[in-house]
Amino acid sequence: EIVLTQSPATLSLSPGDRATLSCRASQSIDKYLAWFQQKPGQAPRLLIYDASLRATGIPARFRGSGSGTDFTLTISSLEPEDFAVYYCQQRSNWPPFTFGPGTKVDFK
Amino acid sequence: QVQLQESGPGLVKPSQTLSLTCTVSGGSVRSGGWYWTWIRQHPGKGLEWIGYIYYSGTTYYTPSLQSRVTMSLDTSKNQFSLRLTSVTAADTALYFCAGGTYYDEDWGQGTLVTVSS
Repeated sequence: EIVLTQSPATLSLSPGDRATLSCRASQSIDKYLAWFQQKPGQAPRLLIYDASLRATGIPARFRGSGSGTDFTLTISSLEPEDFAVYYCQQRSNWPPFTFGPGTKVDFK
Repeated sequence: QVQLQESGPGLVKPSQTLSLTCTVSGGSVRSGGWYWTWIRQHPGKGLEWIGYIYYSGTTYYTPSLQSRVTMSLDTSKNQFSLRLTSVTAADTALYFCAGGTYYDEDWGQGTLVTVSS
């Protein structure tokens, strides 16, 4: 089973700041990584798939990068609605398709 | 984009079977290439991937739950289902269904299942 680790656990920032979230896989998953955003009381929302492709309707301020074992989600300039928990998920050839533990982006 | 809606009992007794259904609208569970997935979230915790059923009926379950989980498709009702046997308090969680052509693009709102006597 592939294990994902996310860092930091919490990121305290202000609107307008740049957010950089990291996800690391225990073995290579090529480009098969997704990022999800979850707000309190809501279902997760797909932001990024295949490591760098934005899902439908996702603003350009969200950018995914990386391949192999190291991945990054960058939010170029935080909007108030971006304060949430972000999860990465691996979708390599081999299930289970595990999630990382999450990074919470909260107000500084 | 498809819409998904979970349904089922909100309270299950220990040792009994948890049964949930996900109704799909705006698409078909028989759509080629679609994965139909169940994910759960323990209170205040992260996301746990339970497994998927492919449009063809092929299933994969996470190893830690494999002995207790069954997923199925009901094409006549355009639904897919989750059964989890021998539940304990550790199975208390918010259960989500999701669907997509590979990644989980569309999600239901989730349904809370509490295991308690």
